[in-house]
Amino acid sequence: SAVISQKPSRDICQRGTSLTIQCQVDSQVTMMFWYRQQPGQSLTLIATANQGSEATYESGFVIDKFPISRPNLTFSTLTVSNMSPEDSSIYLCSVEGDSLNYGYTFGSGTRLTVV
Amino acid sequence: GENVEQHPSTLSVQEGDSAVIKCTYSDSASNYFPWYKQELGKGPQLIIDIRSNVGEKKDQRIAVTLNKTAKHFSLHITETQPEDSAVYFCAANNYGQNFVFGPGTRLSVLP
Repeated sequence: SAVISQKPSRDICQRGTSLTIQCQVDSQVTMMFWYRQQPGQSLTLIATANQGSEATYESGFVIDKFPISRPNLTFSTLTVSNMSPEDSSIYLCSVEGDSLNYGYTFGSGTRLTVV
Repeated sequence: GENVEQHPSTLSVQEGDSAVIKCTYSDSASNYFPWYKQELGKGPQLIIDIRSNVGEKKDQRIAVTLNKTAKHFSLHITETQPEDSAVYFCAANNYGQNFVFGPGTRLSVLP
């Protein structure tokens, strides 16, 4: 399965600022996914990012707040814009499995605290 | 859309005992059911999965069973060890659709 490197692993940010999270995969993948995991909660899909097209956002998430870039088949970024304390969460990137293993592989996550 | 429920939310077992976590799903079209283990400070890791054409799958101390008629599937961990302590998530999807995750079960294995 793919190996995902996600940076930064954690950050503490001031409200009103923005943070960009990077996700690097060791192989080319068609689809990359960004999830949010609020404290003690399950995983919620933010958006799906395909190379060469705009990301597809889930209900409750908008591009102005969570702009996503997908410049090539191994890299993506998620920006959390104009942060508030409610944005404090773990943000995870994920890629789909190969044809034999549908399960997603997740990065180690970015633990964001907004103060 | 799909809805996945998971029980119990917390589970404590003595080392060496078995642990069982159960999930139910709502969409009969779902045909793939993975289980993830998330240790503190780490991302979820796929530990076992099952497809709808199989009733049971086993990998060493871990097994998953699926009852498509009742729309539920369960994770079974035998001979639990302290390193099994983590949060476990079930999920369901129909290939090509997004995964829906359960709310998670925090498993504590007491030495």
